[in-house]
Amino acid sequence: GESVGLHLPTLSVQEGDNSIINCAYSNSASDYFIWYKQESGKGPQFIIDIRSNMDKRQGQRVTVLLNKTVKHLSLQIAATQPGDSAVYFCAGGTASKLTFGTGTRLQVTL
Amino acid sequence: NAGVTQTPKFQVLKTGQSMTLQCAQDMNHNSMYWYRQDPGMGLRLIYYSASEGTTDKGEVPNGYNVSRLNKREFSLRLESAAPSQTSVYFCASSQRASGFSYNEQFFGPGTRLTVL
Repeated sequence: GESVGLHLPTLSVQEGDNSIINCAYSNSASDYFIWYKQESGKGPQFIIDIRSNMDKRQGQRVTVLLNKTVKHLSLQIAATQPGDSAVYFCAGGTASKLTFGTGTRLQVTL
Repeated sequence: NAGVTQTPKFQVLKTGQSMTLQCAQDMNHNSMYWYRQDPGMGLRLIYYSASEGTTDKGEVPNGYNVSRLNKREFSLRLESAAPSQTSVYFCASSQRASGFSYNEQFFGPGTRLTVL
């Protein structure tokens, strides 16, 4: 079946450093990808999305990179802050089906 | 503007009991969704309603029913709860009705359900 997975369950970074969270997907028909942030006890919050006709998309302090050749996407967070501590997960799919990954917990150390 | 609200926040049921999880959104969104989130697994879609008056099964619909009461409200019912339904349930909504995956989904805070 389809899968979307993250490479590391936990990532620890120092405040001010850049964070890179990776995600791999299996379905080459996937044409839309999203990154979500989930803080403890809360619902997921949309961060950024990207369509398969793009390789890169930037938001405020975040960049998503998509490599369709190896079916991989990454989320880069610049100048990581304590408020960035959360679980991050990717989702990928098509118009009517999204598959969600399990998440990477980002821990920001001072 | 509260976004997506869910009630209750926590619930403990005994096997065989029934309950309804409530969800409402005030963003005038067309589409609404119910997901469950289990440890070690990604969010899984239970049911969705692409637009008012329609509902469709998602990935894991067995043991659940839904009602799109109006454009604002989308409820999830467990008729006879089972321990396997212990999970965190999230409701979400999004603007567009067609190609519903292609747009940002706004999530509620979740309902933590334990079935003993």
